[in-house]
Amino acid sequence: DQQVKQNSPSLSVQEGRISILNCDYTNSMFDYFLWYKKYPAEGPTFLISISSIKDKNEDGRFTVFLNKSAKHLSLHIVPSQPGDSAVYFCAAQTGANNLFFGTGTRLTVIP
Amino acid sequence: DTGVSQDPRHKITKRGQNVTFRCDPISEHNRLYWYRQTLGQGPEFLTYFQNEAQLEKSRLLSDRFSAERPKGSFSTLEIQRTEQGDSAMYLCASNRARFLVFGPGTRLTVL
Repeated sequence: DQQVKQNSPSLSVQEGRISILNCDYTNSMFDYFLWYKKYPAEGPTFLISISSIKDKNEDGRFTVFLNKSAKHLSLHIVPSQPGDSAVYFCAAQTGANNLFFGTGTRLTVIP
Repeated sequence: DTGVSQDPRHKITKRGQNVTFRCDPISEHNRLYWYRQTLGQGPEFLTYFQNEAQLEKSRLLSDRFSAERPKGSFSTLEIQRTEQGDSAMYLCASNRARFLVFGPGTRLTVL
């Protein structure tokens, strides 16, 4: 069963606007959450992460929000740029063990 | 280049043949992971090593699959008697901290 879910397979956003990518999880034992970005023919690259003891982590244009009671996290990209167009994967982890990934959201930023 | 490397990048084989993939992790990383990604899905965990010890295997790793990391450095993933359902991107990753660094992947096509 899918422990990490990304229910939006795709998202299109105008350049300069905010992109919001959502992720839900079912396993309350997850204590670390990550976002990866993937371009075609490349492996996923780490973007940003958040520990379960926090509710927000910011890195430049990227902010991740965690709502533990709702088992929900989101990635905000502001302002969105055409180079942000990629597939974004949400992932979750218990301890320093393997990652469970969602199915991904394809973001297209329209110039 | 200090990233994770994988070889080959692409492999086309006929059903029933054996294939072997290689992964060279980042040298100071003691953990190495294998994932599989099929179209429209996120990466799915197959197995991981801490140094040379294989510590966990997913139920996705059937008995036709075997992974080794003989000296705690590079790793190989072998698939015996390949089936069309084995067609996927095989990703290797390594880490020392919480986030995984992925290689570019090996795309396997089984005809």
